[in-house]
Amino acid sequence: GESVGLHLPTLSVQEGDNSIINCAYSNSASDYFIWYKQESGKGPQFIIDIRSNMDKRQGQRVTVLLNKTVKHLSLQIAATQPGDSAVYFCALNSGAGSYQLTFGKGTKLSVIP
Amino acid sequence: GAVVSQHPSWVICKSGTSVKIECRSLDFQATTMFWYRQFPKQSLMLMATSNEGSKATYEQGVEKDKFLINHASLTLSTLTVTSAHPEDSSFYICSASSSGSEETQYFGPGTRLLVL
Repeated sequence: GESVGLHLPTLSVQEGDNSIINCAYSNSASDYFIWYKQESGKGPQFIIDIRSNMDKRQGQRVTVLLNKTVKHLSLQIAATQPGDSAVYFCALNSGAGSYQLTFGKGTKLSVIP
Repeated sequence: GAVVSQHPSWVICKSGTSVKIECRSLDFQATTMFWYRQFPKQSLMLMATSNEGSKATYEQGVEKDKFLINHASLTLSTLTVTSAHPEDSSFYICSASSSGSEETQYFGPGTRLLVL
């Protein structure tokens, strides 16, 4: 079955430092990847997405990197702020044309003021 | 843009009663809506996929007679937990995607259900 995992279940970062959250996946047919942020008691919030024809995409303070060769996805957050504290999930589809997402286990990011 | 709401945000009910949760896309038409369940400190588990005007597709292990889903319009889907039991207590989250951008799901704020 599909396996979507995260290398680090918890991550503590000093305010102002950069954060890197990693995600490994097993389905080579996946062609769409998303990062979500979930604060306690709330629904996931879309952060950034990337398609398999790209290896890097940047947003505001966030960058997603995709390495299809080793099936690895990462989210980089620049100048991490206390408001970035949350659980981050990677999610991916099962293949071209598939709209269902499989979610990773999540990484809890704690920002130390 | 892409705002999804859920109602209620939390509900407490007695065992044996039914609970209806609404999911609305506020500023776009949702051709597809998804219902997830999330236990504490765990990831999201897809329960079912719902397309407007057609029957929902349930994931393996999800009882369709227990979790009734209706997607009557392009902006509203409902999940009814029938004859709720304490083991149904969970955080239920819906998401919606729009035509032309079906891959990107936008999530509602979730509904916390506690069955006594």
